[in-house]
Amino acid sequence: AQSVTQLDSHVSVSEGTPVLLRCNYSSSYSPSLFWYVQHPNKGLQLLLKYTSAATLVKGINGFEAEFKKSETSFHLTKPSAHMSDAAEYFCVVSEVPGGYNKLIFGAGTRLAVHP
Amino acid sequence: DSGVTQTPKHLITATGQRVTLRCSPRSGDLSVYWYQQSLDQGLQFLIQYYNGEERAKGNILERFSAQQFPDLHSELNLSSLELGDSALYFCASSAQVTGLAANEQFFGPGTRLTVL
Repeated sequence: AQSVTQLDSHVSVSEGTPVLLRCNYSSSYSPSLFWYVQHPNKGLQLLLKYTSAATLVKGINGFEAEFKKSETSFHLTKPSAHMSDAAEYFCVVSEVPGGYNKLIFGAGTRLAVHP
Repeated sequence: DSGVTQTPKHLITATGQRVTLRCSPRSGDLSVYWYQQSLDQGLQFLIQYYNGEERAKGNILERFSAQQFPDLHSELNLSSLELGDSALYFCASSAQVTGLAANEQFFGPGTRLTVL
């Protein structure tokens, strides 16, 4: 069975500094992995996706993530945090290879950005 | 705006009651998914419908049921409500499923259910 573990429940950064949100996955086959963002009182929005193409995936708003099979990791990064990045971020795996079916969500990482 | 709409935005009810949450998918999307987000369980997949038929089931309680109507909107029915059912319920939709792999899911803003 697939699962994801988000290693930090809270991350706090200063505006303009790099962001690193860590995610490890467990999968019996090559997984489809995603990062979703949830702003307060809003629905979830897809940031980026990995579906067995390039291992470095670029998403919206300057975020990117690197799929590392040897480390079973899919960490989310951004070179410079903006105040509007403050939100909850979810690392997600799909049970179906290459698809978005039956998404399994990590526990989430709440990102705080300080001026 | 994802194009997925959910009503109502907020719902307050008492234990033992029954409620219905409604979801309208994006225009043209045939698949609808329901998720529950609670403080103790996190975000969990409940159930998926594709073109009116149940396609996949997750951690959905027997007290909960869903259906998708011919116009593709979906309803999630929650009965015999308990305090622990208080949560944010999301609906998502995706385009036509090709083979096993569904396309990207777009999420609605959610319905916040409070059971007193």
